[in-house]
Amino acid sequence: NAGVIQTPRHKVTGKGQEATLWCEPISGHSAVFWYRQTIVQGLEFLTYFRNQAPIDDSGMPKERFSAQMPNQSHSTLKIQSTQPQDSAVYLCASSSSGGAQAETLYFGSGTRLTVL
Amino acid sequence: GDSVTQTEGLVTLTKGLPVMLNCTYQTTYSPFLFWYVQHLNEAPKLLLKSSTDNKRTEHQGFYATLHKSSSSFHLQKSSVQLSDSALYFCALSDRMGYKLTFGTGTSLLVDP
Repeated sequence: NAGVIQTPRHKVTGKGQEATLWCEPISGHSAVFWYRQTIVQGLEFLTYFRNQAPIDDSGMPKERFSAQMPNQSHSTLKIQSTQPQDSAVYLCASSSSGGAQAETLYFGSGTRLTVL
Repeated sequence: GDSVTQTEGLVTLTKGLPVMLNCTYQTTYSPFLFWYVQHLNEAPKLLLKSSTDNKRTEHQGFYATLHKSSSSFHLQKSSVQLSDSALYFCALSDRMGYKLTFGTGTSLLVDP
């Protein structure tokens, strides 16, 4: 089992450009999460899918961020018109069902986004 | 809303000494607490978790006890090793079960 795979590992964009981040969850896991990691804020919840359906996007900045899960093997996080404050490590995680309070999240190594 | 507080941003220790990383939380329902560890350039990984009041939970030499009376879940180890140098996050599961609220993290640096 390769774990959660995120690509690219690093992405540099210019201000105003679009960035698309990819995540492949662990095979058989039905829940996928996106978190953003910064030194100041730590890990912040962005959005959550269960069985490919969007369940909770309460952490997503509404105007420029969007996430999709077109099939059970990958999810994408798209940031339009990137701004310097979007610079962060974006972490994807999966879990087996996404419905239990005690469930373990399995994280990918993240995509480090740098907006110049 | 839910919150998790980790008071130390950086803890530096010499190998072999004991360590305690602080974690306190605020919630209005029965909590489930986690510690995740993230080594440099790696993914965060679960270290240990608990929802049982006053019961010590252990894994890989680390241990923590959930104390609901003081809303705390401090992480401890009796003798740190160089390989313990990492970023440690305390997290709280919400009542829906899927969303984790994380603290800002504590960097542990162990010197030889």
